[in-house]
Amino acid sequence: GAVVSQHPSRVICKSGTSVKIECRSLDFQATTMFWYRQFPKKSLMLMATSNEGSKATYEQGVEKDKFLINHASLTLSTLTVTSAHPEDSSFYICSARDGAGRSYEQYFGPGTRLTVT
Amino acid sequence: ILNVEQSPQSLHVQEGDSTNFTCSFPSSNFYALHWYRWETAKSPEALFVMTLNGDEKKKGRISATLNTKEGYSYLYIKGSQPEDSATYLCAFMASGTYKYIFGTGTRLKVLA
Repeated sequence: GAVVSQHPSRVICKSGTSVKIECRSLDFQATTMFWYRQFPKKSLMLMATSNEGSKATYEQGVEKDKFLINHASLTLSTLTVTSAHPEDSSFYICSARDGAGRSYEQYFGPGTRLTVT
Repeated sequence: ILNVEQSPQSLHVQEGDSTNFTCSFPSSNFYALHWYRWETAKSPEALFVMTLNGDEKKKGRISATLNTKEGYSYLYIKGSQPEDSATYLCAFMASGTYKYIFGTGTRLKVLA
């Protein structure tokens, strides 16, 4: 099956610093990638949709200047949490959609646990 | 606001028991329903993509049904094994958006 990697799996950073999370599709070309956030005991919430070569589309309530998304190639999207604060501590997970697929199925990375101290 | 709900939130079953859980979703603008199995520290793994009302899909001991008119899907596990322990997520996809709306998941623990 399609494999998506995500790095790092866990990161602790100090308040005010920026953190970059990478999402890679390893064996397929991902024209579209998605970034989700999960709060404890809540469902995965879509933050933004990232299309290769164009600007990301952010969901309502998600600050685009806070969560910078870059999808520069068909196999890599990055999420940068800028000037992180403790309330940004969360679980972030990416997914990728195969450009050749027709079912709109998404393949997920294993997620990144961000802790901001 | 589209709402997807899963029940129960968690359950413990004995090895060998059969179990099932529910995903409820909006009955309008349906495009697809996806089921995922998510083990801790791993990537969610796709189980089923369901698109037609009345669909029944099966993979080994796991099967799923779909009722788009009333807005629910059932996931069944026959003869549960400890390795079935995971969180089972459903994701609703509306026509036109093709984005997932997830339920909160059902956390299954199979006791040996």
